[in-house]
Amino acid sequence: QKEVEQNSGPLSVPEGAIASLNCTYSDRGSQSFFWYRQYSGKSPELIMFIYSNGDKEDGRFTAQLNKASQYVSLLIRDSQPSDSATYLCAVNKRGSTLGRLYFGRGTQLTVWP
Amino acid sequence: DVKVTQSSRYLVKRTGEKVFLECVQDMDHENMFWYRQDPGLGLRLIYFSYDVKMKEKGDIPEGYSVSREKKERFSLILESASTNQTSMYLCASSLASRPQHFGDGTRLSIL
Repeated sequence: QKEVEQNSGPLSVPEGAIASLNCTYSDRGSQSFFWYRQYSGKSPELIMFIYSNGDKEDGRFTAQLNKASQYVSLLIRDSQPSDSATYLCAVNKRGSTLGRLYFGRGTQLTVWP
Repeated sequence: DVKVTQSSRYLVKRTGEKVFLECVQDMDHENMFWYRQDPGLGLRLIYFSYDVKMKEKGDIPEGYSVSREKKERFSLILESASTNQTSMYLCASSLASRPQHFGDGTRLSIL
C-alpha cells in the first residue's frame, strides 16, 4: 500500500466551479499534511498545510483533514483557468526522520473558461 | 522568503561522466532533500540530509551519492551517469517538520 494516494485525474471543472481534490494516507500516526501546486515545467510550490482535524481556509483554498478516515482534501472555490496545474499531497509519517515527507503522484486539474 | 537555488536549470552530460548537481538554501534549514521527478512516477526521494555531514537514503539511492559539508549546501553526485538518470531533479529544504521549499529544478539529459 502506498503511503499517499491521490486520484491522478485529470479533473476538469468549468471556471467559477468548486474543484475538490482528495488524498488518502496509510499511516494513522501522521501529523503534518501539505498541498503543493505544480505548473507544467515548474517546481512544486506550497499552497497550504494543516496539522489539526477540521478545515483551514486561505482565500479561495480550503484544506480539510479527517484523521479518523485518513484523508485530506483541498477545495478550490471560484476556480480560475490559472488554477490549472497538478496538485500534490504530502504527508509525514510516524517514525520517519523528522522532516521527511511522502508525496502522492498528484492530481491534474484543468479549469476551462 | 525561503530561497533554494539550484546551480543549473538545464544540463546535458554523456554516459559515464561524473555529474554534480548543487543546491544552496539561505534560510539556515537543517533538512535538505534531493528528488527526481519523472512523468507518471511522481516525486521520488533519492537522498536527504538532516544535518551537516549527515545523510539518509531515500527510496531510490542507487547510482547516486550526496555531500553536505556546509549547512547551506547539498550536492547530488551521479558517479557514472547513465541514460536512465535523465530526469528532472529537484532540491528542497525545510526546518524541522515545517513545509519543504523547492528550488526551480534541474532538467538533466544523459546522452
